[in-house]
Amino acid sequence: NAGVTQTPKFQVLKTGQSMTLQCAQDMNHNSMYWYRQDPGMGLRLIYYSASEGTTDKGEVPNGYNVSRLNKREFSLRLESAAPSQTSVYFCASSEVLPQTTGNYGYTFGSGTRLTVV
Amino acid sequence: AQSVAQPEDQVNVAEGNPLTVKCTYSVSGNPYLFWYVQYPNRGLQFLLKYITGDNLVKGSYGFEAEFNKSQTSFHLKKPSALVSDSALYFCAVRVLFSGGYNKLIFGAGTRLAVHP
Repeated sequence: NAGVTQTPKFQVLKTGQSMTLQCAQDMNHNSMYWYRQDPGMGLRLIYYSASEGTTDKGEVPNGYNVSRLNKREFSLRLESAAPSQTSVYFCASSEVLPQTTGNYGYTFGSGTRLTVV
Repeated sequence: AQSVAQPEDQVNVAEGNPLTVKCTYSVSGNPYLFWYVQYPNRGLQFLLKYITGDNLVKGSYGFEAEFNKSQTSFHLKKPSALVSDSALYFCAVRVLFSGGYNKLIFGAGTRLAVHP
C-alpha cells in the first residue's frame, strides 16, 4: 500500500544515547517533514525537506539532525537523547503546490513513540 | 505570525446530537485549511480541506466544515454524532512559501468525547 512508513514504532532510550528514526515514502512526493506530538501542544515541526538535497529547521529543531538520503527517505537523528525528547514522532510527505491530484494535504506515517529515561 | 487556535481542549456531546469543534487561524494570504483526526495510537487521517470555492466543505465520515473569512474561522461540524467519532481532532493551515513549497501548522488539538 502506498504511504509513509516509519521505523521503529516504539523505542526506549537512556539519557545520552543516540538513535535514528527512519522514514520512507513511496508516493514520489518532493517534500518530507518530521513533527513531534506532545499533549496539549499539537504537532510541532522539527525539520523539513522541501526537496531532495535540501533541509530546513522548523519550530523545534534543537537536539535533532536530519538527512534527506534520497527522494524516498528522510531520517531524524537524536545525537544525545534527553527526557524532554520523550514524545511521539510523525513523519509526513507532500507534493509541491499547486497540486493537480490528491487532497492537498499531507500523508502521515503511523508514528514512533519514543521514551527517554 | 501564522498560527492556528483550537480554543477547546475537550468537547463532550451526546450520541445523536450535533457537534462543533472550533478552529480559528491567522495567516497571510488565502488560507489552505485542513482537519485531521487521530484515533488512539494511530497516525493522522485527513478529514477535509478548504482551498477555495464554497465555504461549506464536506469530508469523510459525515463531517463538514464552514470557512468564514471575516471571522478567520474553520469550525468542524457533524449533524449527528456517533460514539465512534470519539478521537483527537486537529485543525491545520498550510503555509506557502516560494516555489510552491509549504508546511503545515497545527492547532493544539481538541479531544471529542461522544457519550452513548
